[in-house]
Amino acid sequence: EVQLVESGGGLVQPGGSLRLSCAASGFTFSSYAMHWVRQAPGKGLEYVSGISSNGGSTYYANSVKGRFTISRDNSKNTLYLQMGSLRAEDMAVYYCARVFSGGYPDSFDVWGQGTMVTVSS
Amino acid sequence: QSVLTQPPSVSGAPGQRVTISCTGSSSDIGAGYDVHWYQQLPGTAPKLLIYGNSNRPSGVPDRFSGSKSGTSASLAITGLQAEDEADYYCQSYDSSLSGYVFGTGTKVTVL
Repeated sequence: EVQLVESGGGLVQPGGSLRLSCAASGFTFSSYAMHWVRQAPGKGLEYVSGISSNGGSTYYANSVKGRFTISRDNSKNTLYLQMGSLRAEDMAVYYCARVFSGGYPDSFDVWGQGTMVTVSS
Repeated sequence: QSVLTQPPSVSGAPGQRVTISCTGSSSDIGAGYDVHWYQQLPGTAPKLLIYGNSNRPSGVPDRFSGSKSGTSASLAITGLQAEDEADYYCQSYDSSLSGYVFGTGTKVTVL
């Protein structure tokens, strides 16, 4: 079964850091670009960051550029999101998603269940 | 930073047809980028519903259809069912932002 499982969410103080992980199974992880999408409580979806299949290219939304770093370990089938200088507006459920190349831009055909990040003092 | 505008809500009776618009600009949909649609049931992760403007992934009922014209796109649901009650989002790319963008989202209510 194709599956993505996020972990690492939790409560963090403003200005703090957190690392999210996304464990992939059921498909050849190293063949797919991967992305992070977030959703603030009661709000819509917001694109966060993406990384190419070999990790050579990365993409960030302007709202997180310079504060978040996306990476992957293809030997461990795991995607990461290192988040720093966290702000109240970063509080959201963070989803990892697999790319589906049925068009341009890519769409996202497999999503994890999400992990909640709460930023509060 | 949504640049794709959707109506906040649409509603219809069971069996009816509803449509959801996704309005962009010359830097996103109008620039030729494809539009994809997602369905998000309450408390769950989004699910890919339509890709490449009008294509359905395997397993998606043909009650769902998509189209694109100019700077906008639409999702149509025919034969509305109770289980279609969910939030729906469009997605594309914005060249001025150099990034993926989602629509503002539309809540579909089955009366």
